[in-house]
Amino acid sequence: QKEVEQDPGPLSVPEGAIVSLNCTYSNSAFQYFMWYRQYSRKGPELLMYTYSSGNKEDGRFTAQVDKSSKYISLFIRDSQPSDSATYLCAMSYTNAGKSTFGDGTTLTVKP
Amino acid sequence: ETGVTQSPTHLIKTRGQQVTLRCSSQSGHNTVSWYQQALGQGPQFIFQYYREEENGRGNFPPRFSGLQFPNYSSELNVNALELDDSALYLCASSPTGGQGINTIYFGEGSWLTVV
Repeated sequence: QKEVEQDPGPLSVPEGAIVSLNCTYSNSAFQYFMWYRQYSRKGPELLMYTYSSGNKEDGRFTAQVDKSSKYISLFIRDSQPSDSATYLCAMSYTNAGKSTFGDGTTLTVKP
Repeated sequence: ETGVTQSPTHLIKTRGQQVTLRCSSQSGHNTVSWYQQALGQGPQFIFQYYREEENGRGNFPPRFSGLQFPNYSSELNVNALELDDSALYLCASSPTGGQGINTIYFGEGSWLTVV
């Protein structure tokens, strides 16, 4: 069993929809929780990160971490076609890298 | 633009051969991590180098090795290539001392196909 499991998708939504992306993990030692966006198998780009539990909001994006349930989520409000990409969750013990990634969810937002 | 440059972008090798992939980081970024991303999977941590020393390794065999140089460049070497080594190889660099997740930048990757 993998340390990080991500809802596999693919996910297809109409423009303007609210998108929910989710990951679960098994290692309670993870402290940093990240969401990356990856276009066409290029390098991942950091969207947001959270330290420990809680919520973090950045524009249309909200990240939630529930350490008691070992569950993290990314919500995208008012989704746009430009949000179409693969979203990767990732976790680490420290803020110095060495991250463990989920396998990604591919999102398509249709105009 | 992340300031992290990887080369070559694509290459094809034959099973059993050896390959060297290169990564050039921003000035001052003396921590570099390498990841392997197979098709349909997320990146898997191979190892990290800090100030030219290996600083942690994932579940990869010794035929995966690395070097880091004082000029903020690094190499990933893979010996005795296997078909399953076909993947996108990513490097990620960051400044000294773990200055934060948001200071870690990925390159665009090197696509390796083993035939």
